Amino acid sequence: KNEVEQSPQNLTAQEGEFITINCSYSVGISALHWLQQHPGGGIVSLFMLSSGKKKHGRLIATINIQEKHSSLHITASHPRDSAVYICAVRSPESGGGADGLTFGKGTHLIIQP
Amino acid sequence: DTGVSQDPRHKITKRGQNVTFRCDPISEHNRLYWYRQTLGQGPEFLTYFQNEAQLEKSRLLSDRFSAERPKGSFSTLEIQRTEQGDSAMYLCASSLAADGSYEQYFGPGTRLTVT
Repeated sequence: KNEVEQSPQNLTAQEGEFITINCSYSVGISALHWLQQHPGGGIVSLFMLSSGKKKHGRLIATINIQEKHSSLHITASHPRDSAVYICAVRSPESGGGADGLTFGKGTHLIIQP
Repeated sequence: DTGVSQDPRHKITKRGQNVTFRCDPISEHNRLYWYRQTLGQGPEFLTYFQNEAQLEKSRLLSDRFSAERPKGSFSTLEIQRTEQGDSAMYLCASSLAADGSYEQYFGPGTRLTVT
């Protein structure tokens, strides 16, 4: 079983829809990251969370440490939001070692106009 | 541009050849990470440095792989006797551990194809 599980793996939605991507993890963590990866490979960090909720523009990330679960929400989605969204955790218990990240497989999001 | 840079962006090599990739982190960042990403998968941790010291290596990093960061600035990742299974995107990231945030900034990656 992967230490970081994301759902859904693929998501296609219409422009304007509210999007939710989920991440569950099985190890104790010191931080959780949400990352965005566009075709061609470049990765951009969206959020780093250790508790609660963060908001940046139309993006909202929440984490529940007790339930070992995080969600990434996109409000008023737009075609330019189309990308792969990756959840990653920092945990000394995981394959990423004490400071490297352990990643989920990503959620491939397509927003259609 | 003061972000993380990687060179080359693409590399095609024949099986059995050696390849070397370079990563230049954000200048004040003291931690540097290497990850590998195969098609359709999330990245996997390979190794990381704090300054010039290699602090941790993944079990994924076989004896054919070696990484260095000789002066605590740029880093190189060498793969000897490449195999087709080494074909992947190799990602570098850096962070500033001193401020406690540990947020990692990623480079554009080097895509390796072994034929």
